[in-house]
This record gives sequence, structure tokens and C-alpha cells, in this order.
Amino acid sequence: NAGVTQTPKFQVLKTGQSMTLQCAQDMNHNSMYWYRQDPGMGLRLIYYSASEGTTDKGEVPNGYNVSRLNKREFSLRLESAAPSQTSVYFCASSTQENTEAFFGQGTRLTVV
Amino acid sequence: QKEVEQDPGPLSVPEGAIVSLNCTYSNSAFQYFMWYRQYSRKGPELLMYTYSSGNKEDGRFTAQVDKSSKYISLFIRDSQPSDSATYLCAMSLSGTYKYIFGTGTRLKVLA
Repeated sequence: NAGVTQTPKFQVLKTGQSMTLQCAQDMNHNSMYWYRQDPGMGLRLIYYSASEGTTDKGEVPNGYNVSRLNKREFSLRLESAAPSQTSVYFCASSTQENTEAFFGQGTRLTVV
Repeated sequence: QKEVEQDPGPLSVPEGAIVSLNCTYSNSAFQYFMWYRQYSRKGPELLMYTYSSGNKEDGRFTAQVDKSSKYISLFIRDSQPSDSATYLCAMSLSGTYKYIFGTGTRLKVLA
């Protein structure tokens, strides 16, 4: 029972490089989320997808794009990485709004 | 002022103690409340989910919501060294997809 799976687990990028973080869930959830976690800041919502085919901005969307590829998969893209995007990124999913969200194990990203 | 406030700790207790973890919030419209446990370098793991006010118990864990005081608590009975982790509270408004998280309290249970 995998739950929410994120790849890669670790990544180092140079400033200006691009990359895509992948997320897949096997719980048949409708809603998916991308958060970043920084010391002293807690978890902050980057983007979310209420259901397949829809995406919306969260609290800190600048510098990111997302794609809800299908019901299972939700990817986060950094087009031109900046050191301020050094963080731990978590994907989560839930059945719908206001229900329990389940998290992946995270991607630790360093931008140098 | 942050919407959700949580003491960062660390909170150190001896094994077997009762632990009380708390969050305060400013938005009286929050209706859904969650507690997550996060071990170092791992993802948050859902512990408790409650709607509106009242208590909910699950094994050694009890979640309390006091909407009149805008205050939620997580109690851990008979604490174990394996409970050592960061505990995050989270809450949301009805009809939204945005969960607001506290910054987490680090708990250390000493054997």
C-alpha cells in the first residue's frame, strides 16, 4: 500500500536549471496538493488540484507551475530554479475538500 | 499575527508522562482540525482529524477542540521514546482546499 509517492527524494540544482517533481497517489483521491516546508515557516501551500483537470494557486505559487496529468498524478515544475526555492517539497492528497490529507515522504531540493 | 500559532519547543518529558501539545488560532471560521506527527526527514503522518468542537480519542491520543477559546490540544498518554517527533496542527475552513498549518512543536520523550 504505497499511498503518496514522490520522486526524486533528493535533488541538487544550479540556479537557472529546471526540473519537475513527480507525485502519484494510489488511494483514488480527487484532490492533490503541493506544499513546501521551510524552518520556522511551517508547511505552505504552493498549488492544489481540487479534481482532475483543475489547478489553483495556493499561498506561494510564484516560480512554480503544476500539471494534473490524470487522477493519480500531480507534478510540480520549477522552470528556472532560484536559491530561495531550496526547501523540502511535499505532495499530499485527499478525497475532497476538508477531508484528511495524506502526505508523501518529501523531496529535499537544494538550489546552489 | 499568524493564523495558527504553535510553540516550537522542544518539549522534553520523561517516558510515561502525559504530554499536552497546543495550538491557538485567530480565524473563528475554522471547522476542521487535524494533528500530524512528523519524524525527522519524513513526511507528516495524520494522527487525528476532528470536526468542530469536542473531544476525540484514539488509543493513547486525545484531540480536543475549544472553538470558544480558539484553542486545540493533543494529549498523549503514557508517552514513549518512539513518540519523539515534531507535531503539527492544521485546520481548514468549510468548503476550501487550503489547510493552514502550525509551525510544529518538537517533542522529546526521554527513556
